[in-house]
Amino acid sequence: DAKTTQPNSMESNEEEPVHLPCNHSTISGTDYIHWYRQLPSQGPEYVIHGLTSNVNNRMASLAIAEDRKSSTLILHRATLRDAAVYYCILRAYGNKLVFGAGTILRVKS
Amino acid sequence: GAGVSQSPRYKVTKRGQDVALRCDPISGHVSLYWYRQALGQGPEFLTYFNYEAQQDKSGLPNDRFSAERPEGSISTLTIQRTEQRDSAMYRCASSARDNYEQYFGPGTRLTVT
Repeated sequence: DAKTTQPNSMESNEEEPVHLPCNHSTISGTDYIHWYRQLPSQGPEYVIHGLTSNVNNRMASLAIAEDRKSSTLILHRATLRDAAVYYCILRAYGNKLVFGAGTILRVKS
Repeated sequence: GAGVSQSPRYKVTKRGQDVALRCDPISGHVSLYWYRQALGQGPEFLTYFNYEAQQDKSGLPNDRFSAERPEGSISTLTIQRTEQRDSAMYRCASSARDNYEQYFGPGTRLTVT
């Protein structure tokens, strides 16, 4: 399974944008980039995924570098409810999710 | 609609006993996944099914662990002769189809004493 590298933790102020980086230099052409998050005491929750093009949904945006060796999850206005562990995962079609340690996001009011 | 449900939510068992953990996926979801999560770590893949067929069991730690989904809906993860190192949160997830987003259940907290 291709590996991802994320910062251990990040901090943000409430109502400000947050950019969560992920490096995946060994990504293969068939790997999708998935993001999940896990709020305290809950199961993981799907956030967004993409292959090559940038993606937007109601929760977040995903910016993918042209060479696909890195990506950034963007939360446009962080709220206290966004405090969670964010996981960046590479997933070949039909394959399992392999979770790393993720990034702990702290949001300050 | 109803999400993924798991039962029991908490299970305390003595070392050497067998346990069966149940997962009820979202209705109509084709794929079902089992994960194990230790405190402070990300979930670790165990196995997954498409319909009733077990597609990948590469994450099952040893032959004490098994899973089934006989009718392509409810799944049971069974751990035989439990050991203290089996203590963890066991999470189930389902997705409409392979490669679609996964929806996770609340988990079963297993404690082996």
